[in-house]
Amino acid sequence: NAGVTQTPKFRVLKTGQSMTLLCAQDMNHEYMYWYRQDPGMGLRLIHYSVGEGTTAKGEVPDGYNVSRLKKQNFLLGLESAAPSQTSVYFCASSYSWDYRATAAYEQYFGPGTRLTVT
Amino acid sequence: SQQGEEDPQALSIQEGENATMNCSYKTSINNLQWYRQNSGRGLVHLILIRSNEREKHSGRLRVTLDTSKKSSSLLITASRAADTASYFCATYQYGNNRLAFGKGNQVVVIP
Repeated sequence: NAGVTQTPKFRVLKTGQSMTLLCAQDMNHEYMYWYRQDPGMGLRLIHYSVGEGTTAKGEVPDGYNVSRLKKQNFLLGLESAAPSQTSVYFCASSYSWDYRATAAYEQYFGPGTRLTVT
Repeated sequence: SQQGEEDPQALSIQEGENATMNCSYKTSINNLQWYRQNSGRGLVHLILIRSNEREKHSGRLRVTLDTSKKSSSLLITASRAADTASYFCATYQYGNNRLAFGKGNQVVVIP
């Protein structure tokens, strides 16, 4: 299994440009997440999905949109990039939130996408 | 609100020594997890401790949880150079479909 993969690995955008980050997982996980990581800030949740066709806002959703058309894919879009969106973006997935299964809570992370907006 | 605040932020130790880092949180939780992040990589799950557990072991890792103080500690025994990484605690609150991560502890193990 490849686990969680992200494309692209690096990207440089100019202010106002748009792009889509793709996350794919082959573990048949129900839940998927997009985080951003900035120095000294830890990980902050942007959006997440609890299943195919569903999305929900996280802690810092402004300026981002997401879609989960297929269970294995979770897309993160930036419609009009801003320098404040310069960050490392991580996708993660987890099986479920079944309280009876400890393994359900564990999140599996992709390798990250380093985005610079100039 | 940000859950999970690790302390100290940076730790430098000699190989073979033990490394301890702490995490505090603010609200009731279902479980608390620790993750490791090597430089330039994604996070890797290390260990999970449920709110009704007080201590858990996994290899060289020992995690404690004190729900009365809303705090947890991660102990890495007999550290190795390969343990050099950032360590994050993350809490899962009841009724919340997500983890809240702390800012991370950077640990450097000197060979």
